[in-house]
Amino acid sequence: DAGVIQSPRHEVTEMGQEVTLRCKPISGHNSLFWYRQTMMRGLELLIYFNNNVPIDDSGMPEDRFSAKMPNASFSTLKIQPSEPRDSAVYFCASSDGDHTGELFFGEGSRLTVL
Amino acid sequence: AQSVTQPDIHITVSEGASLELRCNYSYGATPYLFWYVQSPGQGLQLLLKYFSGDTLVQGIKGFEAEFKRSQSSFNLRKPSVHWSDAAEYFCAVGGVGNEKLTFGTGTRLTIIP
Repeated sequence: DAGVIQSPRHEVTEMGQEVTLRCKPISGHNSLFWYRQTMMRGLELLIYFNNNVPIDDSGMPEDRFSAKMPNASFSTLKIQPSEPRDSAVYFCASSDGDHTGELFFGEGSRLTVL
Repeated sequence: AQSVTQPDIHITVSEGASLELRCNYSYGATPYLFWYVQSPGQGLQLLLKYFSGDTLVQGIKGFEAEFKRSQSSFNLRKPSVHWSDAAEYFCAVGGVGNEKLTFGTGTRLTIIP
């Protein structure tokens, strides 16, 4: 199994630019999660999907952030416009929806906004 | 509301010494508890999990954890650490029908020769 695949691994952009992060969950998993990790705030859940439907987006910081899951094998997290405070590592994780909460994480996308 | 407290931000132990990382949780029902490990530049990998049954659970890489309901704790232990155990360790809590895991702030483990 290829695991959760995220791209890009590293992104450096300038303030005001649009950023799109991508995630391919493990095949057969029906829940997908986006987390943000920073030194100051640790791991924060931004949004999660079940069967491609957003279930809880209460962790999305503001309207500049949006996430989509057009099908079971792909999700995007978009930031528009980006700001320096968005600099973080963004993780995607998936689970098989057995309601036990066990997550499988990707290697993360490190975003730097200058 | 659910929460996790990892009181130790950074721990240093000698190679071969025993290890215990502390985790306290708050959850309004029967918790599901997890320990994850993160190596530099990597994602989080599951070490072990507790759902029910035996309160002492075994995980990968020789780690174990004990669930103590009376203390709301789920401490991680290893009898003898190896240099490769240097990483950041996260405790997390969830529950029945609850797919939202809440993570602690992590404990960074440094191993000295």
